[in-house]
Amino acid sequence: DTAVSQTPKYLVTQMGNDKSIKCEQNLGHDTMYWYKQDSKKFLKIMFSYNNKELIINETVPNRFSPKSPDKAHLNLHINSLELGDSAVYFCASSPVWGSGANVLTFGAGSRLTVL
Amino acid sequence: GQNIDQPTEMTATEGAIVQINCTYQTSGFNGLFWYQQHAGEAPTFLSYNVLDGLEEKGRFSSFLSRSKGYSYLLLKELQMKDSASYLCAVIGSNYQLIWGAGTKLIIKP
Repeated sequence: DTAVSQTPKYLVTQMGNDKSIKCEQNLGHDTMYWYKQDSKKFLKIMFSYNNKELIINETVPNRFSPKSPDKAHLNLHINSLELGDSAVYFCASSPVWGSGANVLTFGAGSRLTVL
Repeated sequence: GQNIDQPTEMTATEGAIVQINCTYQTSGFNGLFWYQQHAGEAPTFLSYNVLDGLEEKGRFSSFLSRSKGYSYLLLKELQMKDSASYLCAVIGSNYQLIWGAGTKLIIKP
């Protein structure tokens, strides 16, 4: 069974469209994250939720809106897509928040291409 | 500011040993991670160091010196499958992970 699963794996869309990426973890973890990895391979944190509560909200355009219906799910909705949004988006989860030895388990990634 | 530095790219030969360095400047320290990321795949956990010294795990070892803000990942008996990017990440005082840009390791036969 996949520990952290995200869908879709690939997403090709036109500028100006709205799209969503879904993420689910079956590890029983308390904390979930969205990361963006651009063409230079740098991992940038976007959001983090702990037990459905938003705890990290980095400087991300408000076109990006996360939603956590329960602690096993964290979805990402993007409005009015722009060319610069093209990247791989990784969902991740970790057992807790506020601990040093807090290993992240990543999903396989969702490659978003905006034309 | 907070910063993590690691070489952009390294090349090594199959069967050899390679050391990937990571230096960091962060506000607070709660541990350092190494992750491996194969091209087109997700990062996967390799090691965690919070105390000074060497942690060995099979062919891979990770070293930490907190006073120097320095860590390295040592890979022995290199195999072609070790070709990947290696990401250094530090947990700072607010328990947020600060990531390096990664070191792309190329293994040649």
